[in-house]
Amino acid sequence: DGGITQSPKYLFRKEGQNVTLSCEQNLNHDAMYWYRQDPGQGLRLIYYSQIVNDFQKGDIAEGYSVSREKKESFPLTVTSAQKNPTAFYLCASSMERGGSYEQYFGPGTRLTVT
Amino acid sequence: EDKVVQSPLSLVVHEGDTVTLNCSYEVTNFRSLLWYKQEKKAPTFLFMLTSSGIEKKSGRLSSILDKKELFSILNITATQTGDSAVYLCAVANQGGKLIFGQGTELSVKP
Repeated sequence: DGGITQSPKYLFRKEGQNVTLSCEQNLNHDAMYWYRQDPGQGLRLIYYSQIVNDFQKGDIAEGYSVSREKKESFPLTVTSAQKNPTAFYLCASSMERGGSYEQYFGPGTRLTVT
Repeated sequence: EDKVVQSPLSLVVHEGDTVTLNCSYEVTNFRSLLWYKQEKKAPTFLFMLTSSGIEKKSGRLSSILDKKELFSILNITATQTGDSAVYLCAVANQGGKLIFGQGTELSVKP
């Protein structure tokens, strides 16, 4: 069964703790992306990676970090420096590095920080 | 700055109505425009448009792109309650990024 998996589905953390969100894909896609979605807003790009061992900041990278050690995996760490971490986080992947192919999304992780 | 704007932001209709959702954009190095449907979870892909004037159709949904006027519309005919969702428009640039609009929240009442 091909697709993108994210875990966990719901995550609760105390303020000041770092937390890592998992994203795995078995679609053999080169490019992977992390987005954040807040109520009433569209998706905002946090980080993206078009090839293993390389990634670029998106529009709202502050307070986040990523790694891309394997083609299949693109974990996102929400650090304590992120001022408003509570949000819905979506991971996506696409076949072609240039992005003209559609991005496929994982089921998302809803993070709540109190 | 690249920008994608959707209108209306929310819409309430009754089953059987036809709706038109709008998406305008100002994006440097446009590559394609995509429509997604989101029902409280991950967005699911509907259409990708790259050429002006060619309508894409899937059942009761259709979409068209105007690259001269920089907009796209998504039409849904004979709406059903299952069409209730947030519809997202996104534009891909040559650098491989998607720029998303705010979304249109559609509610279809029985």
